[in-house]
Order: sequence, then C-alpha cells, then structure tokens
Amino acid sequence: DIQMTQSPSSLSASVGDRVTITCRASQSISTYLNWYQQKPGKAPTVLIYDASRLQSGVPSRFSGSGSGTDFTLTISSLQPGDFATYYCQQFYITPLTFGPGTKVDMK
Amino acid sequence: QVQLVESGGGVVQPGRSLRLSCAASGFTFRTYTMHWVRQAPGKGLEWVAVIRYDGTNKFYADSVKGRFTISRDNSKSTLYLQMNSLKSDDTAVYYCARETIAMVGGTIAANWFDPWGQGTLVTVSS
Repeated sequence: DIQMTQSPSSLSASVGDRVTITCRASQSISTYLNWYQQKPGKAPTVLIYDASRLQSGVPSRFSGSGSGTDFTLTISSLQPGDFATYYCQQFYITPLTFGPGTKVDMK
Repeated sequence: QVQLVESGGGVVQPGRSLRLSCAASGFTFRTYTMHWVRQAPGKGLEWVAVIRYDGTNKFYADSVKGRFTISRDNSKSTLYLQMNSLKSDDTAVYYCARETIAMVGGTIAANWFDPWGQGTLVTVSS
C-alpha cells in the first residue's frame, strides 16, 4: 500500500499569512495527487486535483505543486474561511490512501 | 444540481449488519465509478470501497474485505454498502463520493472525489 504523510500535522496562522503544507508518498505516484479541505461537521471538498490543477470555483489563492513523491499545497494569503483541515490523497493505485491531515487554526 | 444523499446509518451492536444507501441526482449515475470513504470520530479519512460504473469491478480496503459489499442499482441511481460482522472499529461517518475523471487523449489523466455526500453516522456499540 502507498503510505501518505503530511507535515505539519497542525499549524497556527493569521489572516493574510502564506501557508504551506507538504505531502509525501511512500512511492512515486506521478501527479495522481489531490488536496481536500474539510471543515468541522462537513464533508471534504476538493481544492486541487492532478497535483496542481485548481478545481472550478476554488479561489486562486490555493495552489498545488509537485510530482513523484513530494507535493505541496500553498495558500498565498490565508482568509477566515480557510481555517480547516487539509488532506492529501493518492489516486495512483488501490487501496486509495489519504494523508493524516493538517489542521490550520487561528493564531 | 449534482447531489449525493446517504442514509441508513444508526446504532448497531457488534456482529450485526447494516446497509447504507447513497441516492444520486443531477448527473448520469450509470456512467460514474463510485466510492465509499469513512471517517472515525476525530480521525482522518479512510477509503473503504469502489465499484466501477457498470458494477463489474469492485475493490475493498483490507480492513473491510470479506465483511462489506459494495453494490449499485443504476436503474435507481443508488449506491449501497452492505456491512456485516460489524466491529467497534467500524464506527465512523460514512461518505459516498463520485469519482470524477479528466481524460487526455483517451487516457485517464486524473481522478478525484467530487462531489461527496453529507455522510451518515454508523455507531457500533453494545
């Protein structure tokens, strides 16, 4: 199985901050990497697919990069609605696997 | 609009069974591969199972293999998850999700979960 790791597991930030979350796969997954945002009590929603493609309707302050085993999600200027938990997920091979999540809360 | 609505969750004793449903609307259900994903209370996301658009291929996480069965009724635009021999570790919110794909030159270039249902809570407890 492909193991996904994320760092940090949590971070505290302020509105306007630049936030970077990293995700690493235990083997190469090309760009079959997606990022999801989840708010408490809600289902996840996709932000980025194919490592760097912005889902329709998602603000351009979100961006993704990477290929192979190392990936990054960046929020260029954190907004109040961005305080949430972020998960990476590989779609390279079953069993599909998620990272453990990164919780972004208010400093 | 595109929508997925889960139902069937509840409290069940260990060893018993439960069947979840996911009603789809707003898109051509029979042309999409569908998944179940779960989330234990306070924990991360865990993929559970997938079923191909025509029901021919199914895959499961090792944690549920042999106990859970994914199925679909394309005439009813509904996805199911039959859960048998339930354990306390199966306690979670269960989400159904549509696999959305991007094609390039006839090849799947990317896949992702979108949309997700609102989830249904399954609690396994005596």
